[in-house]
Amino acid sequence: GQQLNQSPQSMFIQEGEDVSMNCTSSSIFNTWLWYKQDPGEGPVLLIALYKAGELTSNGRLTAQFGITRKDSFLNISASIPSDVGIYFCAGHSGGGADGLTFGKGTHLIIQP
Amino acid sequence: NAGVTQTPKFRILKIGQSMTLQCTQDMNHNYMYWYRQDPGMGLKLIYYSVGAGITDKGEVPNGYNVSRSTTEDFPLRLELAAPSQTSVYFCASKGLAGVWNEQFFGPGTRLTVL
Repeated sequence: GQQLNQSPQSMFIQEGEDVSMNCTSSSIFNTWLWYKQDPGEGPVLLIALYKAGELTSNGRLTAQFGITRKDSFLNISASIPSDVGIYFCAGHSGGGADGLTFGKGTHLIIQP
Repeated sequence: NAGVTQTPKFRILKIGQSMTLQCTQDMNHNYMYWYRQDPGMGLKLIYYSVGAGITDKGEVPNGYNVSRSTTEDFPLRLELAAPSQTSVYFCASKGLAGVWNEQFFGPGTRLTVL
């Protein structure tokens, strides 16, 4: 099946720093999504991207859909303690109802 | 709206036991999904459904069964639990096919098989 390579696997940063993480795929995706998962909870959608080259922001979060359609990145500016969690990229290659392909996640840890 | 709800939140099973994980959504979404998440891994698709009476296999369907008798409910059945099925199970739904692929997730069921 399709695979998403997400990096880094974990990040230890200071509060106030900017964060960058990315996902690459061996195949093309039509949609890229970024989710955040808090401990004991389900993933919550942060940003959805639908066009190659698209750059979308949601508050302090910015994500881009790569031109090749095989990659995406997520940036978080001026990190705060509530940003702690696991961030997942997910891709969808079809136009129908089949499921998403997920990366393994980036675990963000913020030191005050 | 409650969104996507799942029960139970936690469960411990013995090898060979069976159980049903419940999932309900109140958003009138046609599409529903079951994923499993193993430690340190992303979510993997088990089964999905495009509407009442229609289901299809995902990436890892072995050992599971599903049914979809109503728009709201999409239960996942484990017939003969095995230690390899120890995982966190997430149900998700979405409203439209095509361009919009924003799936909304429930809080998960943490299952341990001993």
